[in-house]
Amino acid sequence: QVQLQESGPGLVKPSETLSLTCSVSGDSVSVYYWNWIRQSPGKGLEWIGYVYDDGKTKYNPALNNRVTISVDTSKNHFSLRLASVTAADTAVYYCARALMSSFDPWGQGTLVIVSS
Amino acid sequence: QSVLTQPPSASATPGQRVTISCSGSRSNIASNYVYWYQQFPGTAPKLLIYRNDLRPSGVPDRFSASKSGTSASLAISGLRSEDEADYYCVAWDDSLSGYYVFGTGTKVTVL
Repeated sequence: QVQLQESGPGLVKPSETLSLTCSVSGDSVSVYYWNWIRQSPGKGLEWIGYVYDDGKTKYNPALNNRVTISVDTSKNHFSLRLASVTAADTAVYYCARALMSSFDPWGQGTLVIVSS
Repeated sequence: QSVLTQPPSASATPGQRVTISCSGSRSNIASNYVYWYQQFPGTAPKLLIYRNDLRPSGVPDRFSASKSGTSASLAISGLRSEDEADYYCVAWDDSLSGYYVFGTGTKVTVL
């Protein structure tokens, strides 16, 4: 059974960099596509980007210049860095595997608040 | 950036059928598969439908979906109280450099 678990600071100051890690068990991060998706409080879902094939990436154009997603195959996890955050980046951040473009499974999500 | 448009809400009584629409464009729904997700409050979304109309194992056949042109729809027949949740459609969009676009979400209420 594949399981994903997000971890990282729950509070980030404006203009700083948000950093999260998704630990994967039951599958290898060297296979498939590994995604970050976020959901602002009371709002809908937004795809952030994915990493695949041991390091290749693709990002949402709306966030492209602030996002970095990387993978560490030795630890079987992948990470998200979002630079220059503002209050608009406050959200629940989910990691998810993409199998034939289906996001499945998802992590439980972690709330990140941007505030001074 | 593109967005997939869904009605904010839909409702029906138990046993009835409810349908949710998802409106997109040539660069997303018309050109790529559509996926549907179910989300309960405080939990992560769960895959409900993949590749337009296929159900993962464990999803009841009360859930069905279809796609035509730039629109897609999800139907729930024999509505049950446990179906009360938010539903989202998703598709790949070929514009710009390509990205996934989510629907705006529909809250289904069982009256």
